[in-house]
Amino acid sequence: EPEVTQTPSHQVTQMGQEVILRCVPISNHLYFYWYRQILGQKVEFLVSFYNNEISEKSEIFDDQFSVERPDGSNFTLKIRSTKLEDSAMYFCASRGDNEQFFGPGTRLTVL
Amino acid sequence: AQKVTQAQTEISVVEKEDVTLDCVYETRDTTYYLFWYKQPPSGELVFLIRRNSFDEQNEISGRYSWNFQKSTSSFNFTITASQVVDSAVYFCALRVSGTYKYIFGTGTRLKVLA
Repeated sequence: EPEVTQTPSHQVTQMGQEVILRCVPISNHLYFYWYRQILGQKVEFLVSFYNNEISEKSEIFDDQFSVERPDGSNFTLKIRSTKLEDSAMYFCASRGDNEQFFGPGTRLTVL
Repeated sequence: AQKVTQAQTEISVVEKEDVTLDCVYETRDTTYYLFWYKQPPSGELVFLIRRNSFDEQNEISGRYSWNFQKSTSSFNFTITASQVVDSAVYFCALRVSGTYKYIFGTGTRLKVLA
């Protein structure tokens, strides 16, 4: 069964450093998402991506965040200058017609 | 604005008991989609069900059932004869037609005790 994959599973970085989180969505899906879940809290929408551009983004998704689909298969989330409060689980998701499927997540720890 | 409320923060039941997880949503739109996801201790988010706003038929899948009532803006989830493996955080979510954003509730942690 096709699935969304994410790498790395855990990323540790120093405050102020740039990180890139990678995702491979399900191959025939057209809509791609990033979500954030701070430990023990709810899942928060960051951004959606469709037709090679951002289709919707939340207030959390400020100028330090960017997304890209560089090669038609990978979907990346870049955080330019990480802050302590960026520590969270980041989930990628992709959607076909209506069901949205999540990847296993990348745990980002900012020290 | 849209909102999803899961008022039950945590529920504990003994194995084989039935349990219902509540979800109340808010939207002014007439076409929308409701979802339930399971997050087991391992952390992944597992899709359980999608329901369209124009389909109020209840659904049963094995021990799981869902009761969608537009009159009360609720989409409740019942697990019959609960098992320890059902222990997880369950999230209800909403997406309005024509938008991309999924809005999640705060989740209900279900603990099933042996």
